[in-house]
Amino acid sequence: QKEVEQNSGPLSVPEGAIASLNCTYSDRGSQSFFWYRQYSGKSPELIMFIYSNGDKEDGRFTAQLNKASQYVSLLIRDSQPSDSATYLCAVKGDSGYALNFGKGTSLLVTP
Amino acid sequence: DVKVTQSSRYLVKRTGEKVFLECVQDMDHENMFWYRQDPGLGLRLIYFSYDVKMKEKGDIPEGYSVSREKKERFSLILESASTNQTSMYLCASSFPQTTGNTIYFGEGSWLTVV
Repeated sequence: QKEVEQNSGPLSVPEGAIASLNCTYSDRGSQSFFWYRQYSGKSPELIMFIYSNGDKEDGRFTAQLNKASQYVSLLIRDSQPSDSATYLCAVKGDSGYALNFGKGTSLLVTP
Repeated sequence: DVKVTQSSRYLVKRTGEKVFLECVQDMDHENMFWYRQDPGLGLRLIYFSYDVKMKEKGDIPEGYSVSREKKERFSLILESASTNQTSMYLCASSFPQTTGNTIYFGEGSWLTVV
């Protein structure tokens, strides 16, 4: 079983600050990495994915990947109360089809 | 937009009942998945299918079976429901190998077994 680890939080940041969410994975051969956001009582929705080492930006979100350290992160700039949710890190698994998910980090953005 | 529809949103079933959870996707995706999500345990893969009539076990297949007779439909079956199967069940679908296997989820089915 390949592991995907996230700090459960809650991570509390003030409105307008940068939220930094981290994820480590055990399978060095992993190639694809995803961030999902899940509001309470709702299903996960894709924020972004990343394959290559370095940064990938999409609006207020930046994903960072370091394969040597087996580490992927998500930065949320100018955090808003509406960003308060659980953020799930996911890695493409052994099957090549399904994703292995971390347990998620709870983010709270306070006004 | 990708649409994954889970027909039953909230179900209450008795121990020992046979339960069917239905999922339909409208994007002609080859891959379909069933996950369950529990507090503190995260999302765990039950079964997936990469083609019609094909199925593969995930991490926690015990107590479950699946059926995929048509490309757009993937059913999860609990042959004899037990209280430890009380959970939120998430169906998902994806194209193979494109956009990194981005998986799109349905809205979820909340199952309570009493």
